[in-house]
Amino acid sequence: GQQLNQSPQSMFIQEGEDVSMNCTSSSIFNTWLWYKQDPGEGPVLLIALYKAGELTSNGRLTAQFGITRKDSFLNISASIPSDVGIYFCAGSIKAAGNKLTFGGGTRVLVKP
Amino acid sequence: DVKVTQSSRYLVKRTGEKVFLECVQDMDHENMFWYRQDPGLGLRLIYFSYDVKMKEKGDIPEGYSVSREKKERFSLILESASTNQTSMYLCASSGNTIYFGEGSWLTVV
Repeated sequence: GQQLNQSPQSMFIQEGEDVSMNCTSSSIFNTWLWYKQDPGEGPVLLIALYKAGELTSNGRLTAQFGITRKDSFLNISASIPSDVGIYFCAGSIKAAGNKLTFGGGTRVLVKP
Repeated sequence: DVKVTQSSRYLVKRTGEKVFLECVQDMDHENMFWYRQDPGLGLRLIYFSYDVKMKEKGDIPEGYSVSREKKERFSLILESASTNQTSMYLCASSGNTIYFGEGSWLTVV
């Protein structure tokens, strides 16, 4: 079946740093989604991407839908302590009823 | 704002009990999903539904069933709860984009 490889698995960030994470797939997706999940809560949608090449921002977050439709990245600029959490990428195909395939998550921790 | 509401945030049930997890969405979405999330295993799809009274098995349907009698409501049923069903359960609904509920933590003792 389809798989999404998300990297890095975890990272420590210094407040004020820019950070980046990405997902790659063995198959093509119509939609790429990025979620953040805080402990004990459900994933919250950050950015949705619907077209190859699309670059979308949401505050300090920027994500891009790769030209090949098989990858996406998420950047966080000027990180702050509340950026801590787990970030998930997900891809979906409309023909499959928008079922999501998830990456394994990137755990973001802030250096003390 | 889209709202996906899961009726119970925290439940503790005994082995063998029947468990109902309820999910309601307010955006008239056709598609609804149930996932479970476990450390190291990520999010795994249990069942999904394209429409009222329609359901499809996901990746791990064993031990679960679902009910979609109304468009806005999608219920997950554990006919006889077992300890290996202790997990966080997430409901989601989608139009063009998928939105999640806050999660239901189920502990089976």
